[in-house]
Amino acid sequence: DAGVIQSPRHEVTEMGQEVTLRCKPISGHDYLFWYRQTMMRGLELLIYFNNNVPIDDSGMPEDRFSAKMPNASFSTLKIQPSEPRDSAVYFCASSLGRSLGNTEAFFGQGTRLTVV
Amino acid sequence: AQKVTQAQTEISVVEKEDVTLDCVYETRDTTYYLFWYKQPPSGELVFLIRRNSFDEQNEISGRYSWNFQKSTSSFNFTITASQVVDSAVYFCALSEANFGNEKLTFGTGTRLTIIP
Repeated sequence: DAGVIQSPRHEVTEMGQEVTLRCKPISGHDYLFWYRQTMMRGLELLIYFNNNVPIDDSGMPEDRFSAKMPNASFSTLKIQPSEPRDSAVYFCASSLGRSLGNTEAFFGQGTRLTVV
Repeated sequence: AQKVTQAQTEISVVEKEDVTLDCVYETRDTTYYLFWYKQPPSGELVFLIRRNSFDEQNEISGRYSWNFQKSTSSFNFTITASQVVDSAVYFCALSEANFGNEKLTFGTGTRLTIIP
């Protein structure tokens, strides 16, 4: 398996623009997570899905952020409008889930977002 | 609430020395999972190990070993005979076993530098 695939790897955008980050989880994994990494806040969970359904979105910073998972092999994280403070590395991860005995999440390579 | 503390922000050792990275956690659950991840300079997050709260056996994998002690709520990671390729940021993480709760709470990470 190719692992978790994120695109783009790097994104530079102007304040106010819409940004869409994409993620393809590992095939067969039924949990998908979006994390954000910044120097100030470290790694923080934004939202996660189970079987395409959002389970916990309490980490989503504000209404400018939205995430969808239309099917088992694709998820998006959208920021509209973007702000400079959204600059961070955004990671997508997937896992099989505890019910199957595996709890470890496997991460994509991340998308480095810069909002100028 | 769950919390993970990695008190060592940065560590530098000379190649071939042993080094231990500390991790202390807090949780109200009696069942939980602990993890270590490695983030090399390239930026991806690499899963290293998972340990569940029922299993206090120490684990060794090559030059890596982990010491889990419930009595002190610690899950420390030791690298023996360190190598330059071990230079990375290492994260300890915790997942509580509440039904449906699959999210990871990360520590702030320890930046390890191996000096040639």
